[in-house]
Amino acid sequence: DSGVTQTPKHLITATGQRVTLRCSPRSGDLSVYWYQQSLDQGLQFLIQYYNGEERAKGNILERFSAQQFPDLHSELNLSSLELGDSALYFCASSALPGGGSPLHFGNGTRLTVT
Amino acid sequence: KNEVEQSPQNLTAQEGEFITINCSYSVGISALHWLQQHPGGGIVSLFMLSSGKKKHGRLIATINIQEKHSSLHITASHPRDSAVYICAVRPQGGSEKLVFGKGTKLTVNP
Repeated sequence: DSGVTQTPKHLITATGQRVTLRCSPRSGDLSVYWYQQSLDQGLQFLIQYYNGEERAKGNILERFSAQQFPDLHSELNLSSLELGDSALYFCASSALPGGGSPLHFGNGTRLTVT
Repeated sequence: KNEVEQSPQNLTAQEGEFITINCSYSVGISALHWLQQHPGGGIVSLFMLSSGKKKHGRLIATINIQEKHSSLHITASHPRDSAVYICAVRPQGGSEKLVFGKGTKLTVNP
């Protein structure tokens, strides 16, 4: 058990809708990362937060946004959903922001857009 | 060309065999991660290394920074080792972004 909790495990929704994915980091970890894994693109870095502040941005679409709350949990909001947004979304946490500590992954949220 | 290339893409072995999975990258890096993804989808971080060699149980990871190459070895392989193994690099320059390889699917038959 990595200590990282992601909810929900599965999400099925229609095109055009909006969903929120939630991540609770491992106790004591201040850094949260979001990744998308699709069949054709593999794993891609979306965004990172450290102690409530956005730290780095990757290939995140404008329709997607995220935030980290004072209790350190994070939410990834996906809006105006398209079929191509169907993917596994992973959250990971680490103690340090600069890549100097191991990553702990959640079990992912499988999003299906119909 | 991808920044991170893994080989082989697929690997089938018999229980007990020694396994090697390779990862080559084209950019300067500050760290390299080896990840394991089980059929259920969950990802486990196996190693994070920036030089030399690390060992954990039957798993060994090595990295050669000059040659921009890393290997993951599994000794005495077991069917429960069947998974996708993913190499990821953190480019130099303070970037937080991990760049991932496409993974190596390992199947170990009893």
